[in-house]
Amino acid sequence: ETGVTQSPTHLIKTRGQQVTLRCSSQSGHNTVSWYQQALGQGPQFIFQYYREEENGRGNFPPRFSGLQFPNYSSELNVNALELDDSALYLCASSQGGANQPQHFGDGTRLSIL
Amino acid sequence: TQLLEQSPQFLSIQEGENLTVYCNSSSVFSSLQWYRQEPGEGPVLLVTVVTGGEVKKLKRLTFQFGDARKDSSLHITAAQPGDTGLYLCAGVDSNYQLIWGAGTKLIIKP
Repeated sequence: ETGVTQSPTHLIKTRGQQVTLRCSSQSGHNTVSWYQQALGQGPQFIFQYYREEENGRGNFPPRFSGLQFPNYSSELNVNALELDDSALYLCASSQGGANQPQHFGDGTRLSIL
Repeated sequence: TQLLEQSPQFLSIQEGENLTVYCNSSSVFSSLQWYRQEPGEGPVLLVTVVTGGEVKKLKRLTFQFGDARKDSSLHITAAQPGDTGLYLCAGVDSNYQLIWGAGTKLIIKP
């Protein structure tokens, strides 16, 4: 089975720009969660999508938005980028919610200059 | 806000030694997951504990969930260099979201 893939692997942007990160979920998984992981920290929950609907959101501003497509792949969009947005962005897919095993991609390293 | 405190934050020991990593909270979790993350990769699930007092073993790794489901520990026996990595605990809260600890960076020296 194909695992979770994320693209791009690395990205450099400047303050004020917008970015779109992509995630292909593992085959058979209908739930995608996005996390932000700052250097030396644990992941912070951004939001979760279940069958194309947002199904929970962490403490992130509205400029963080997302989509889930009929094939369960997902996008994370961040507008008006700030220096503090520099982090590793992780996508995890699962068959159901957080109490199900989360299968992570290797992340997108986003650097804001 | 539920928080998970992990300790120690950093641990460097010799091959063959034993170690324990702790994950503590003042809140109750319905289940708790342990992950290991290596540089440049996403976290990989090691185990999920669900029942208070539950103990699970994965080769030389022993995981325990506290009786009150507020804390957990990971014990490694006879650590090996391949155990090196960032160990993360994550609890499922009442909103069915994962709350993460900050991680324990473990280095096993040959």
